[in-house]
Amino acid sequence: DTAVSQTPKYLVTQMGNDKSIKCEQNLGHDTMYWYKQDSKKFLKIMFSYNNKELIINETVPNRFSPKSPDKAHLNLHINSLELGDSAVYFCASSPPGITQYFGPGTRLTVL
Amino acid sequence: SQQGEEDPQALSIQEGENATMNCSYKTSINNLQWYRQNSGRGLVHLILIRSNEREKHSGRLRVTLDTSKKSSSLLITASRAADTASYFCATRDAGGTSYGKLTFGQGTILTVHP
Repeated sequence: DTAVSQTPKYLVTQMGNDKSIKCEQNLGHDTMYWYKQDSKKFLKIMFSYNNKELIINETVPNRFSPKSPDKAHLNLHINSLELGDSAVYFCASSPPGITQYFGPGTRLTVL
Repeated sequence: SQQGEEDPQALSIQEGENATMNCSYKTSINNLQWYRQNSGRGLVHLILIRSNEREKHSGRLRVTLDTSKKSSSLLITASRAADTASYFCATRDAGGTSYGKLTFGQGTILTVHP
């Protein structure tokens, strides 16, 4: 009965590869988000979708492409991975403008 | 520039003591929220205070908001070892759509020693 789930939990890959992280929420929220948390624990929003439509895109490199097949899912695809992409990526969901519910995170390590 | 800067960056106390964390921000806000993150886990929402509120309580948590100083504080009373975690403030800007993003600070690492 996990509210916001992400897969995989850990992802180790080589530079230049393409990878995807999946996120699903069963809370019935319309809005979903992707955040990146760096090694200093700074959490920065990357994208936000409302009802499958992109509403926030925070100057993220276009190697990152979110996809929302339905309002319960928001996946993150990353092309041509770079060392600097190593971080923990969190998915979250919320009702409009209210508190956000976070997934457990995906730790991405690019070698 | 970074919104939601927190102070101190790290706090170490004994069980039973109170812990106070501060957060400063730069823009006009709709609300300010505090989240907790246990090591290796996602963030969990603790409490939300709206811009027209000055103080809010939830169990052992007390949050204050001073919009004139653009600052907030989180007080955890009678701390427990289980309170050990990172605590983040997050602000939602005033205006814009109701889907406004949250801007997080860098967090305060709280360690409560048994």
